[in-house]
Amino acid sequence: DAKTTQPPSMDCAEGRAANLPCNHSTISGNEYVYWYRQIHSQGPQYIIHGLKNNETNEMASLIITEDRKSSTLILPHATLRDTAVYYCIVRVANQGGKLIFGQGTELSVKP
Amino acid sequence: GAGVSQSPSNKVTEKGKDVELRCDPISGHTALYWYRQSLGQGLEFLIYFQGNSAPDKSGLPSDRFSAERTGGSVSTLTIQRTQQEDSAVYLCASSFKGSGTEAFFGQGTRLTVV
Repeated sequence: DAKTTQPPSMDCAEGRAANLPCNHSTISGNEYVYWYRQIHSQGPQYIIHGLKNNETNEMASLIITEDRKSSTLILPHATLRDTAVYYCIVRVANQGGKLIFGQGTELSVKP
Repeated sequence: GAGVSQSPSNKVTEKGKDVELRCDPISGHTALYWYRQSLGQGLEFLIYFQGNSAPDKSGLPSDRFSAERTGGSVSTLTIQRTQQEDSAVYLCASSFKGSGTEAFFGQGTRLTVV
């Protein structure tokens, strides 16, 4: 699996959009970008994934650059409950295999 | 069940004792993962089961660690002769192999070795 690079921490004001970047410059053509988050003292939670098109669900939006070397997770209206560590992972979908988590970005949403 | 269930939620054991941690995955999920998370650290992959295939044990830190999955469902992670550095939260996850592989995590077992 390709490696990812994320900033270690970010702050966001409550009610504003949180934009979390991820670099994955060595991503392969058949690898998807996945995002998970881990709220303190809980297990990780799946957020969203995509291949090359932008994706949106009830939790977030995922913007993937045309060259697929980077992506941004967008939480459109961050709340205090979105404070968590956010992990960006790249892997081949539908083939199983271990999920490798990096250090992630610790997002702090402040009132 | 509704989600991934792990037991016990907390376990305190004496150094040198063996412990068993249990994971009940979501019914029908063919893939099962074990991770370890030490205080303030990231998630460390331990082992991955997929159907009847040989498990990926590449993350097990030593031969004191082993895991099995019976009948393609429940899994048990065993740590023999526990050491203080084994203290961590042990997380289990399960997924369908072919569904985009969204993994659902349990709440973990907090292991403290004293």
